[in-house]
Order: sequence, then C-alpha cells, then structure tokens
Amino acid sequence: DSGVTQTPKHLITATGQRVTLRCSPRSGDLSVYWYQQSLDQGLQFLIQYYNGEERAKGNILERFSAQQFPDLHSELNLSSLELGDSALYFCATQAYSDTQYFGPGTRLTVL
Amino acid sequence: GQQVMQIPQYQHVQEGEDFTTYCNSSTTLSNIQWYKQRPGGHPVFLIQLVKSGEVKKQKRLTFQFGEAKKNSSLHITATQTTDVGTYFCAGVYNQGGKLIFGQGTELSVKP
Repeated sequence: DSGVTQTPKHLITATGQRVTLRCSPRSGDLSVYWYQQSLDQGLQFLIQYYNGEERAKGNILERFSAQQFPDLHSELNLSSLELGDSALYFCATQAYSDTQYFGPGTRLTVL
Repeated sequence: GQQVMQIPQYQHVQEGEDFTTYCNSSTTLSNIQWYKQRPGGHPVFLIQLVKSGEVKKQKRLTFQFGEAKKNSSLHITATQTTDVGTYFCAGVYNQGGKLIFGQGTELSVKP
C-alpha cells in the first residue's frame, strides 16, 4: 500500500460526458502528479501540482483540467469525453527524495 | 527536449534466463529511478541511483548508472515467473523536478 488513494476504481461513461477523478496524497507529500496510461502505452505525464499550484504541464488536452485543494487532495476533470480517452489514470505523489508513490489508478471506460 | 529512451519494448524469456533493459538520456540526469508495474497493477518504486557509476543490487536485480549519468540499466539474473511485468526507468533532470519516464520494457517469463 503506497498510501496514495484514488477514487473511483472504475468508471464507465459515455462519449461527450464529464467525469472527475480524485486523488488523496500520502501524508506530508505536497506534490501530486497525474498520468494517463493507455493500453500498451507507457506513462504519459499530464500535469503536476505542488502545494495547490500548478507546477508543470505535460501532454494534457484542453478538455482536461486539474486542481489541488488546500487539504492537498487533487481532482482531474475530463470533459467532452471521447472513446480514445479510455485509459488508466494514475496519480502519484513525490517525496523529498524525488521518489514517486503511485495510487492504484482509476480505469476509465468511455463507451 | 528532455526525453528518456528505453529498450527493448518487449522481452520474452525462458524461466532461468537473464534479462536486461536499458535507458538512455541525451543530457545528464540528476538521478534515475526504476519502477515495476505488475499486470493490472500500478508502478511501484524499486530503486533510485544518484551517483555517477553507481551500482546497486537487490537480490537478483542489478541496477547501474552510467559514468556520465546519461544511461542506466536493470539486469535480472535467472528470471522467475514472479519477475513478470513492465519495468520503467524514470529520469530526473533537476532535483525536485518531475520524472521523465521511459517507454517501459514488458517482460514475460515462460515457465
């Protein structure tokens, strides 16, 4: 158990819909990273937050957005969903040593 | 830009054979980390290498960081079926910065 929690575990929705994925970091970790992993794909970095502020952006679509709240939990919002958005979405928190601890992921299926 | 290349993408071995995956960066890294993702699971931190020429061992796993801090390798001796999964390297260019993941090497082991 990494100490990072993600909800929900599974999400099935239709094209055009909007969903919110939630991540709670390990106690004391200020950084949250979001990754997308499609079938047979590696980890695509989406976005990073540090103590409530956006720190870095990766290959994140304009239809996607994220935020980190004062209690340090983070949400990833995916809108106008397309079939190609079906993937595993991981959040990870980064310790001072740069080590990342991944949550169990949310499997999103867009039908 | 900052990119970490990892090869091979897939490796199929007979149980008992050795396995090696390689990562390469065009620019010097601050540190490199290795993660393992079991089928259906999330990436789990294995090790971090920081020093030039560093070699670390974990039982049958040997991790190396190149002298120039641009490349790294993971070698597994006498693979077992429990080694199955995808191995990712992740480079850090600036301490505290985001991880740049390689594409991963998927290892399958035939008993």
